[in-house]
Amino acid sequence: DTEVTQTPKHLVMGMTNKKSLKCEQHMGHRAMYWYKQKAKKPPELMFVYSYEKLSINESVPSRFSPECPNSSLLNLHLHALQPEDSALYLCASSQSSGKRVYNEQFFGPGTRLTVL
Amino acid sequence: AQSVTQLDSQVPVFEEAPVELRCNYSSSVSVYLFWYVQYPNQGLQLLLKYLSGSTLVKGINGFEAEFNKSQTSFHLRKPSVHISDTAEYFCAVSKAGGTSYGKLTFGQGTILTVHP
Repeated sequence: DTEVTQTPKHLVMGMTNKKSLKCEQHMGHRAMYWYKQKAKKPPELMFVYSYEKLSINESVPSRFSPECPNSSLLNLHLHALQPEDSALYLCASSQSSGKRVYNEQFFGPGTRLTVL
Repeated sequence: AQSVTQLDSQVPVFEEAPVELRCNYSSSVSVYLFWYVQYPNQGLQLLLKYLSGSTLVKGINGFEAEFNKSQTSFHLRKPSVHISDTAEYFCAVSKAGGTSYGKLTFGQGTILTVHP
């Protein structure tokens, strides 16, 4: 299984709502990522988890809260978002061997989020 | 820090014609280089990567790229395109020799449109 799955595929939420995005992989990867992609722009890294610990936070506002409950699952909790947070949210995973070699990132199809 | 410039935002081409998508990068340290493809409403798929060794890299779907260190370029080529190659292509860079989960910096993307 070389697939990263993301749910839901689409999400519409108001600025006062709390919602969560879910990402799952069963490739045995120990690094997982959240990216944000605005329309007609490249993906921007938000968070990296390695061995279920937060390794990189790219100065993301606290209204985005990541969680990695186990090695296969990555969540992104959303609260009090702004309309400008509307974007495609991509999850990715890769091996994290602890060695200094590059490990390919496998991307999911994304969740298209609209904040009203 | 690393940066990537994709020189063409859109490239129209006729089916079976050759195509080149241009990418230049800037970095004060050694880098890894990648090309990703994104089809509409999908995540990113790795086309090819340069980590070390031969400067001519072959990838999936008949694509290849050449790493030119003196010109800091990594242009993507295909000798004969198909309608199905219509997609957005992203060049990306990662610092070499870092942690095994690489932080990717993407270019702005090139939309390749193949006309019949």
